[in-house]
Amino acid sequence: EIVMTQSPATLPVSPGERATLSCRASQSIRDSLAWYQQRPGRAPRLLIYGASTGATGVPARFSGSGSGTEFTLTISSLQSEDFAIYHCQQYYSWPLTFGGGTKVEIK
Amino acid sequence: QVQLQESGPGLVKPSQTLSLTCTVSGGSISSGDYYWSWIRQPPGKGLEWIGYIFYTGSTYYNPSLKSRATISVDTSRNQFSLKLSSVTAADTAVFFCARANSSHDASDIWGQGTLVTVSS
Repeated sequence: EIVMTQSPATLPVSPGERATLSCRASQSIRDSLAWYQQRPGRAPRLLIYGASTGATGVPARFSGSGSGTEFTLTISSLQSEDFAIYHCQQYYSWPLTFGGGTKVEIK
Repeated sequence: QVQLQESGPGLVKPSQTLSLTCTVSGGSISSGDYYWSWIRQPPGKGLEWIGYIFYTGSTYYNPSLKSRATISVDTSRNQFSLKLSSVTAADTAVFFCARANSSHDASDIWGQGTLVTVSS
């Protein structure tokens, strides 16, 4: 099973600032990585797949990068609705696995 | 617009079987472009993928569940279902059904989730 590790666990950011979230895989997953946003009490929402491709309707301020074992989600200018938990997921091999999540909170 | 909706009991007794159904609306579950997953999230914790089913009935399960999970599909009702046997308090979670796109395997549509509590 591929283990996904996200850092930091909590990221305090001021509105309008840039946020950078990291995700590391225990072995190479090429670009088989997705990012999801989860607001409190809601289901996850797909933001990025293929490590860097934006899902339908996702604002341009969200971008993903990386390949192999190191990945990054960047939110260029945080809006109020962006304060949430972000999960990475690998789909390179079964079972699919998620990282522990990064909570982006208001600084 | 495709939507998914979970349904089932919110309370299950220890050692019993948890049963949930996901109803797909606005699209066909028989599309070969997608497969259908169950994912759970214990309160305050991360996401755990349970397994998936394709409309043909082929399945794959997370080995961590030690063969307790069974996923089935009813194409006539546009539904797929999850059964989890021998539940314990550790199985208490919000259960989500989701659609994964066969071209990239990410889950692009999710149900709202349903909380299932295991307690006597």
